[in-house]
Amino acid sequence: SQQGEEDPQALSIQEGENATMNCSYKTSINNLQWYRQNSGRGLVHLILIRSNEREKHSGRLRVTLDTSKKSSSLLITASRAADTASYFCATDAGLAGRRALTFGSGTRLQVQP
Amino acid sequence: SAVISQKPSRDICQRGTSLTIQCQVDSQVTMMFWYRQQPGQSLTLIATANQGSEATYESGFVIDKFPISRPNLTFSTLTVSNMSPEDSSIYLCSVSFGAYNEQFFGPGTRLTVL
Repeated sequence: SQQGEEDPQALSIQEGENATMNCSYKTSINNLQWYRQNSGRGLVHLILIRSNEREKHSGRLRVTLDTSKKSSSLLITASRAADTASYFCATDAGLAGRRALTFGSGTRLQVQP
Repeated sequence: SAVISQKPSRDICQRGTSLTIQCQVDSQVTMMFWYRQQPGQSLTLIATANQGSEATYESGFVIDKFPISRPNLTFSTLTVSNMSPEDSSIYLCSVSFGAYNEQFFGPGTRLTVL
């Protein structure tokens, strides 16, 4: 079952604007990972944030994690048309013998040129 | 990270037939997983491919329908057996690296069953 919910389900912005996507989950986690998927292709790994971290940056990406609220956000600054994709969060519950990830429902981002 | 390839990248199959999907990694990995992504949906774990032993299947997925092989630490196959149109999905393999279980995905196999 999917433990993560993402909002919004869809987001349309203009090039140059910032895009923020949110992810909520239900159980405690070891880490949370964000992925990008371009029109039904493979997933590209963006960032892993550990449960003891609050914020991470990678280029134009900024991820925050609030374990007390069981939520994370992905911010893309100065968006580009090439950022158009679906974005997924995935949680690692850190259970013994189980390393598979549980995925959120995803946010479809459309960046208008 | 690693370079992960999948074959085929896409296929169109007839109902009742079977398709075997291959996943190749350019380095040895302990953990490999197979996921399914139905049209417009998120990813659902099918099974964990264990090297040297039977795969561990998630609820709702059975070995007779989705047999998995893992002959070594760089290769795995997933077979979709006796296909029906409901099996039309993207099938993705992933591998886990490091103590923090950072997971990377193959490019996926887009399967259409007529």
